[in-house]
Amino acid sequence: DVVMTQSPLSLPVTFGQPASISCRSSQSLVYIDGNTHLNWFQQRPGQSPRRLIYKVSERDPGVPDRFSGSGSGTDFTLKISRVEADDVGFYYCMQNTHWPPTFGQGTKVEIK
Amino acid sequence: QVQLVQSEAEVKRPGASVTVSCKASGYTFTDYYIHWVRQAPGQGLQWMAWINPKSGDTNYAQKFQGRVTVTRDTSINTAYMDLRWLGSGDTAIYYCVRDLTNAVYGTVYWGQGTLVTVSS
Repeated sequence: DVVMTQSPLSLPVTFGQPASISCRSSQSLVYIDGNTHLNWFQQRPGQSPRRLIYKVSERDPGVPDRFSGSGSGTDFTLKISRVEADDVGFYYCMQNTHWPPTFGQGTKVEIK
Repeated sequence: QVQLVQSEAEVKRPGASVTVSCKASGYTFTDYYIHWVRQAPGQGLQWMAWINPKSGDTNYAQKFQGRVTVTRDTSINTAYMDLRWLGSGDTAIYYCVRDLTNAVYGTVYWGQGTLVTVSS
């Protein structure tokens, strides 16, 4: 299975400041059709996860544009341009280029 | 609006089986795959299986092969996940997820989760 490694695992942030989470895969996530199936999920405390980003950088409905995804091959990043209170929680990357789909360990975003 | 409503929490003895249901509404049930993902306490997310509600085709993670079965009843728009021979390591929240791996705008929805506790 493809191993997804996130860093940091804990990210203390200040409101209004940027934040960045890294996700690295053990194999390239470029699919045979040229797409890269790397997703980001947010899980707020006590809630189910929700997808924020798919195909590296495409935002889902209702996702604020302060969230952005980037990267290629095996290295990917989720950036929050200005952290708000609603952003506290866990963030997971997930690949579904290779079977089975696999998730990173999660990064806890908390306020300093 | 799209909703996936799961069954209530369960407490099971080691060695027992559990069935978690996931009732879909707000869309055509047979148009999207249903996936099952679990989250052990304080842990990350683990993909378990999917079912194609239209055909009934299934796919399972190797880790759960032989121990999990996913089914559906299209007459009541409900998917089911059966997990057998439960052990303490199966204590987790189990989620059904619509369209988890299809890279299309706005199609992923999660159920509220069902906590399964395995305890003697």
